Order: sequence, then structure tokens, then C-alpha cells
Amino acid sequence: AQRVTQPEKLLSVFKGAPVELKCNYSYSGSPELFWYVQYSRQRLQLLLRHISRESIKGFTADLNKGETSFHLKKPFAQEEDSAMYYCALSVGDNSGAGSYQLTFGKGTKLSVIP
Amino acid sequence: EPEVTQTPSHQVTQMGQEVILRCVPISNHLYFYWYRQILGQKVEFLVSFYNNEISEKSEIFDDQFSVERPDGSNFTLKIRSTKLEDSAMYFCASSESRQGSGYTFGSGTRLTVV
Repeated sequence: AQRVTQPEKLLSVFKGAPVELKCNYSYSGSPELFWYVQYSRQRLQLLLRHISRESIKGFTADLNKGETSFHLKKPFAQEEDSAMYYCALSVGDNSGAGSYQLTFGKGTKLSVIP
Repeated sequence: EPEVTQTPSHQVTQMGQEVILRCVPISNHLYFYWYRQILGQKVEFLVSFYNNEISEKSEIFDDQFSVERPDGSNFTLKIRSTKLEDSAMYFCASSESRQGSGYTFGSGTRLTVV
């Protein structure tokens, strides 16, 4: 069964410092990975997906299949980055219908100190 | 930007009662999902729905749970006889296509069973 591990429950950094939120996964197939962010009292929002190799709000994440990791990075943290961050892995359904389920990590709370 | 809408935002119910959680997915999305998050725990997959039928469900999604798309716009989750351990945040989500596109989540319904 697939698993997503986010080892840090809480990460505190100073404004302007680099940020790295760790995510490791275990899955025997070819994974598709995402980062979701949840700002205080708001909904889960898609931040990044590995297939698009994009940079959103200054965040990037590279899939490292050798290390089975998908760490989220930002060179200079901002106060507005304070939020819960969830790494998630998608698995296609067994019926082949095309829907898929996400397996989430437990999340890391990022706190950016002014 | 299109949103997934969930109602109510908070529901309190007595143990043993039936509850219906409602969701309006994004109109051109084809795949619909329910997830839940018990306080302090990870977001967990419950069920996926496509082409008017369940395409995948987790072990959590037992006979107490059912889903329905009664009128082409709403997507509901029914819990037949609530238990204390059903208290959680329930998130509805929808996606446009297969894996890789990411979900759009609703803001959630907080269910409290007393």
C-alpha cells in the first residue's frame, strides 16, 4: 500500500530564510505527487503537482525517484506562507474509470516568524 | 475562479441520527470525491464517484455511508446512523480529468456527533 511521510509536524523559520518541507513516499508504481496548502480557516488548495514542474508563489518541488522524495522548497520565506502543507500521492482506481484517490501525509505546519 | 461548495459548514447531530452532507462540484468536472479529516489526523480518502456510480471506496466507507448525485449538480454523502467516531471534517472534491490534474476541494463540513 502507498504511504506518504512528512516527518516534521511543525517547522518554524524566520522571514527571508530558506524553507524545505520534507515529503517521502512509498509506492511500487509510478507516482504522481502533489503539494496542497491550507491557510488558516480556508480550504485545501492545490499548490504544486510534479508533472507540471511549475513554481507557484516561489515554491518548487522536484520528484526524486531514487530517494522517493518530493520536498517542497522556497528560497526566501514570507509571513503569508504560514499555513499547513500536505504532500499527497495519487493512485488510479482499480476499475480503470479514471478517478483516483489521494493519499495524504499528516501535514507540516509552517510558521514564518517576522 | 470556480469553487466547490459545501453545506452546511458545521453540523451537530446526536449519535444514531442520519446526516446528509451536501456538495456542489465544479460544473464541468467529471469525478467527485469525499475525504475526511479527524481532528489532529491526516486527510483520508472515503470514496470516488464517476459516471453516476462509485468507482472506488476505502475501508472506512462501510455500509453506514452512501453517496448520491440526485440531480446532476449536487453530490451528497449520507451517514445512516452516526457514531461518535464519525466526528470529523468532511471534504468534498472534484476533478476534471484523470490523474495529474489535481483536485479542487470544498471548504469542508465539520460534523460533530454528540
